[in-house]
This record gives sequence, structure tokens and C-alpha cells, in this order.
Amino acid sequence: GENVEQHPSTLSVQEGDSAVIKCTYSDSASNYFPWYKQELGKGPQLIIDIRSNVGEKKDQRIAVTLNKTAKHFSLHITETQPEDSAVYFCAASDYKLSFGAGTTVTVRA
Amino acid sequence: DGGITQSPKYLFRKEGQNVTLSCEQNLNHDAMYWYRQDPGQGLRLIYYSQIVNDFQKGDIAEGYSVSREKKESFPLTVTSAQKNPTAFYLCASSIDLQTSGYNEQFFGPGTRLTVL
Repeated sequence: GENVEQHPSTLSVQEGDSAVIKCTYSDSASNYFPWYKQELGKGPQLIIDIRSNVGEKKDQRIAVTLNKTAKHFSLHITETQPEDSAVYFCAASDYKLSFGAGTTVTVRA
Repeated sequence: DGGITQSPKYLFRKEGQNVTLSCEQNLNHDAMYWYRQDPGQGLRLIYYSQIVNDFQKGDIAEGYSVSREKKESFPLTVTSAQKNPTAFYLCASSIDLQTSGYNEQFFGPGTRLTVL
């Protein structure tokens, strides 16, 4: 089955700086890569996703890049704000989602 | 949390008791899923259902059971056979479970189960 590794497990950034989270996957059949944001005590919310026929996607301050050859994808958050503090999960899917272990992002004011 | 509701938000259970977690969606989605989340870990798939009256085991199905009698409902029973049931349980749904892989899932708010 699919194995998704996510790094780092924790990330502390100064407000206004950028944050980058990286994930690798093992199954070359995976073709859909969503990113979820989870706030404390709540369910994950989809923030951005990318399909395997696209190399990069951007939505305001967040962007995702995908390198199919290397089987890795990354989340980039620019101009971080305190409300960006949360746990972020990457996932990869061929027909079921497999999740990374999560990255706890803390934005320092 | 979209159109997915989970109840209760907090649940306490004594050892040896079965307990059922509710999940309802009004998104008209065919596929539904149950995940377990432990501190510092990602989401692990317990069971999933592609259509009514059909469901498959996920990666950690032992000690759990489900039913899918209605499209909008997918209850999860945590049985006494589950050795370490204390966790945060998340229900999700998607339009369908396509082999093409596009599988945007929407999550409910979760149920925190604690075994006393």
C-alpha cells in the first residue's frame, strides 16, 4: 500500500515568514495529493490539492508543488499569520487516501 | 465541517462495553469513511463504504464494525475487542470512490472517545 512520510513534525516560524512542509510517497499510481489543515479539537479541512498532471498550484498565500519523478510534494505558506497555526496533513491517493503524520505549525507573533 | 455531523462530541465508555459513534451527511455523497487519529499520528483508515449496503475494511479494522443501511448514515461501533479504543474518531465522505483517484474528502468535527 501507499506510504506517506511528512517532514518536519513541528515547525515554528516568525509571523510574516514562509513555512514549507515536505512529503514523499511510495506508490507511483497515486495521482491526487490534498493538504488538510486541522485546528485543535476539530476535523481536518481541505486547503489545497493537486492532481498528478499538474506541477504547481497556488491559492493566495498557499501553494503546492509536485515532483512525480521524485515522488515528493510540498506545501508553501507565505506571509504567515497567527491564524495559520494548526496541524497540517499531506495525503496521497490512488483510490484511498493515505495520510502523513502531520506537521504542527506555530506562527510566533 | 461541511454537511457532516458526528455525535456525540465526547464519549466515555467503561472497559468491556460496546459503543456506537454516529455519522450523518447531507452532501448526497456515495462514499463514507471512518478514521482514527492518535496524538502525533496521521489519520488511519478503519472502514470505508462506497455505496449503501457495502463496506470494506481499512488498515485497522480489528475491533470495529460498521453498517451502511442508508446513504446518509455510516455508524461505527467500537467493540470490547478493540484493545486500545481511546482516540479521536473522524468520519468523512466523498462524492464517490473513483479508481481515477480524485477523491476529495470532507470531514466531520470528530468524536473523542475515552475508555475509563
